Amino acid sequence: DSGVTQTPKHLITATGQRVTLRCSPRSGDLSVYWYQQSLDQGLQFLIQYYNGEERAKGNILERFSAQQFPDLHSELNLSSLELGDSALYFCASSVGQGNEQYFGPGTRLTVT
Amino acid sequence: LAKTTQPISMDSYEGQEVNITCSHNNIATNDYITWYQQFPSQGPRFIIQGYKTKVTNEVASLFIPADRKSSTLSLPRVSLSDTAVYYCLVGDSSNTGKLIFGQGTTLQVKP
Repeated sequence: DSGVTQTPKHLITATGQRVTLRCSPRSGDLSVYWYQQSLDQGLQFLIQYYNGEERAKGNILERFSAQQFPDLHSELNLSSLELGDSALYFCASSVGQGNEQYFGPGTRLTVT
Repeated sequence: LAKTTQPISMDSYEGQEVNITCSHNNIATNDYITWYQQFPSQGPRFIIQGYKTKVTNEVASLFIPADRKSSTLSLPRVSLSDTAVYYCLVGDSSNTGKLIFGQGTTLQVKP
């Protein structure tokens, strides 16, 4: 158990819908990272927050957004969902920036 | 933009040493190079991290040459439980904090 929790574990929704994925980092970690893992694209970095502020952006679509709240939990919002958004979404946390990351169990999103 | 290359798969036998190399040009100058292990339906798990030369911990060693254009993860005496996918993670040369995972190397350990 990494100490990082993600909810929900599974999510099935229809194209065009909007969903919110939630992540609680390990106690004491200030950085939260979001990744997408699909069979054709592998592990893709989406975005990183540090102590509530956005610090780095990867290949995150404009339809996706994220935020980190004062209690350090984070949410990833995916809107106007397309079939190609079906993937595993991982959240990870670390103490600071550049430190080892601890990954959550992931949320499996299926868009039908 | 950083580009990473890893072998897609490798086979080994129990008790052997396994070396997995990740080629990564144009990486961030100040970031660590990190390796992760992933089992099916689980999140990646940290193995080892380094900046230059050699780093060793209780499970692996990491070799990074001076030019930092590659890194080699060394797993001593692998067992069946080391069968997994191994990824390198580097920072992009833009030094904006963007992170890039390698494509992953599937290691199959045979008895």
